[in-house]
Amino acid sequence: GAGVSQSPSNKVTEKGKDVELRCDPISGHTALYWYRQSLGQGLEFLIYFQGNSAPDKSGLPSDRFSAERTGGSVSTLTIQRTQQEDSAVYLCASRGGTSEKLFFGSGTQLSVL
Amino acid sequence: DAKTTQPNSMESNEEEPVHLPCNHSTISGTDYIHWYRQLPSQGPEYVIHGLTSNVNNRMASLAIAEDRKSSTLILHRATLRDAAVYYCILTDNQGGKLIFGQGTELSVKP
Repeated sequence: GAGVSQSPSNKVTEKGKDVELRCDPISGHTALYWYRQSLGQGLEFLIYFQGNSAPDKSGLPSDRFSAERTGGSVSTLTIQRTQQEDSAVYLCASRGGTSEKLFFGSGTQLSVL
Repeated sequence: DAKTTQPNSMESNEEEPVHLPCNHSTISGTDYIHWYRQLPSQGPEYVIHGLTSNVNNRMASLAIAEDRKSSTLILHRATLRDAAVYYCILTDNQGGKLIFGQGTELSVKP
């Protein structure tokens, strides 16, 4: 596609349930990022994939959060046993080649009831 | 990661220039200065970046201090559509891990 695609755009879940958020980066982009943005706050870095290198997981807030990137393309962010404080917009971005620009998706609004 | 400091908010009048400051006193020699902006209910979008020299593109200009401890994003003629949160970010090597701060919320008055 022309841009970074995220699905679903909205997700409502109950506390304690697991959720999976999907990111389709721009074709050919080797770097992929996940960020979280709580209401009225700035972007919080979660995880960064670069090619075949080990991902930088330094921003994941707890072991309930994990992410994988299959085949160097699509990425899935998984949150296990969701808590109300996990409610936020989850943003994915990708970057390609030698370009310094990050291209962001529109995000997934996660609401944990 | 080197930190940046920006004012929480700024106001501008439509069609006037806007200068958005950013302090980064702990910047290292290999850090690039990036600016992104986030319009309401959207993901951030790239604005401009630079290393040492001033940079211009169709969206904005980036003025970098000679000691690189500060920079200024310049919008030459603000429009209502420029109302957004502007983030100044440092990153080592090209791209890498971008850590966003709180940014500056720019309001543009008609």
